[in-house]
Amino acid sequence: AQSVTQLDSHVSVSEGTPVLLRCNYSSSYSPSLFWYVQHPNKGLQLLLKYTSAATLVKGINGFEAEFKKSETSFHLTKPSAHMSDAAEYFCVVSVGRRALTFGSGTRLQVQP
Amino acid sequence: GAGVSQSPRYKVAKRGQDVALRCDPISGHVSLFWYQQALGQGPEFLTYFQNEAQLDKSGLPSDRFFAERPEGSVSTLKIQRTQQEDSAVYLCASSRGSGQLTSYEQYFGPGTRLTVT
Repeated sequence: AQSVTQLDSHVSVSEGTPVLLRCNYSSSYSPSLFWYVQHPNKGLQLLLKYTSAATLVKGINGFEAEFKKSETSFHLTKPSAHMSDAAEYFCVVSVGRRALTFGSGTRLQVQP
Repeated sequence: GAGVSQSPRYKVAKRGQDVALRCDPISGHVSLFWYQQALGQGPEFLTYFQNEAQLDKSGLPSDRFFAERPEGSVSTLKIQRTQQEDSAVYLCASSRGSGQLTSYEQYFGPGTRLTVT
């Protein structure tokens, strides 16, 4: 079985400062890992995905994540937060199944 | 092009009523998924279709939940005799292919918020 743990339910940053959203995964096999973002009243949108190629993955809107097998982590980062980044972020894992297993989410607040 | 659409966007049902939630996937997408998202939680898998075949229904919480996709396009999630614990947002997603998950991004609809009173 696979699972993900998002270590922070809420993160608050100031506009222009770095963003770090933490995620640890558990999997018996090589996982595929994703980050999705959910804006209010909008559908989930894929930010980036890790598929056993490069361990540093670049996504949309300046986000990136690094797969660290030794730490079983897949943290999401962005050098400089923008007000439009305020949303709910989900770390997601899949191992050979068609369905996705979501974490419980991290709500990102961006202060002006 | 058009994304995944779901209707209704909001549904209020009295306990014991039956409800039907509709999902229109992106045209030509082979795979279709239903997820349930409780308040403050991440989505949880309910069921998966490849074309009209329901290949995985392991996430359906009880036999009151039923999903179909008779022509391999539009899908309906039906909940019979609704209970308060069924209150959640129901998300539909579709993807282009049916092979390894990582090759095919899942595109999500906006969801249907079901409130059972």
